Amino acid sequence: AQTVTQSQPEMSVQEAETVTLSCTYDTSESDYYLFWYKQPPSRQMILVIRQEAYKQQNATENRFSVNFQKAAKSFSLKISDSQLGDAAMYFCAYKRGYTSGGGADGLTFGKGTHLIIQP
Amino acid sequence: EAGVTQFPSHSVIEKGQTVTLRCDPISGHDNLYWYRRVMGKEIKFLLHFVKESKQDESGMPNNRFLAERTGGTYSTLKVQPAELEDSGVYFCASSRMREAPVTGELFFGEGSRLTVL
Repeated sequence: AQTVTQSQPEMSVQEAETVTLSCTYDTSESDYYLFWYKQPPSRQMILVIRQEAYKQQNATENRFSVNFQKAAKSFSLKISDSQLGDAAMYFCAYKRGYTSGGGADGLTFGKGTHLIIQP
Repeated sequence: EAGVTQFPSHSVIEKGQTVTLRCDPISGHDNLYWYRRVMGKEIKFLLHFVKESKQDESGMPNNRFLAERTGGTYSTLKVQPAELEDSGVYFCASSRMREAPVTGELFFGEGSRLTVL
């Protein structure tokens, strides 16, 4: 079974600085997707960034980027120039790929990291 | 387009009572998922509908939980009778059939917080 581990229950960063959230996962599949979702207080969880396992290049979305280390099964999220609006719970998630039979799968989540932005 | 909506946002009930949570997915989304997060723990998969059919209900904790999706539109999750350990936040998510296997992105509601006293 796949597992996702987020070892940082809470992180704090000064506004405008950079923070990295850690995530490791365990799988025997070769085809899968990794995600970072963000849930601001009392709001929907939204997708921040997605990485396909077959892609070597790290995904980037504006101030958000990942460090995908496939051999180490590590998928960390870097937030540059942190803003107050980045304060939220961040969840790392895994999904089997279509060729691994994961077409109908839901997501496997980690416990989440609560990110605090200090003004 | 409207997002995934869930009702109620918070429900407080006593042990032994019944609660029904509702989820309205994004229009046109055939996939509908229910998840639960118990405080401090992972978000756990409960079940997955494709239209009105249960595709995977392997995450349902026990037979006190009943999920339905009549007509393939909105879904309900009933807990009867509720126990203390059922407390948590219940999330609903939806996605289009075509996108789900390719991108995996799910669109989530705000969640329904259930407190069982």
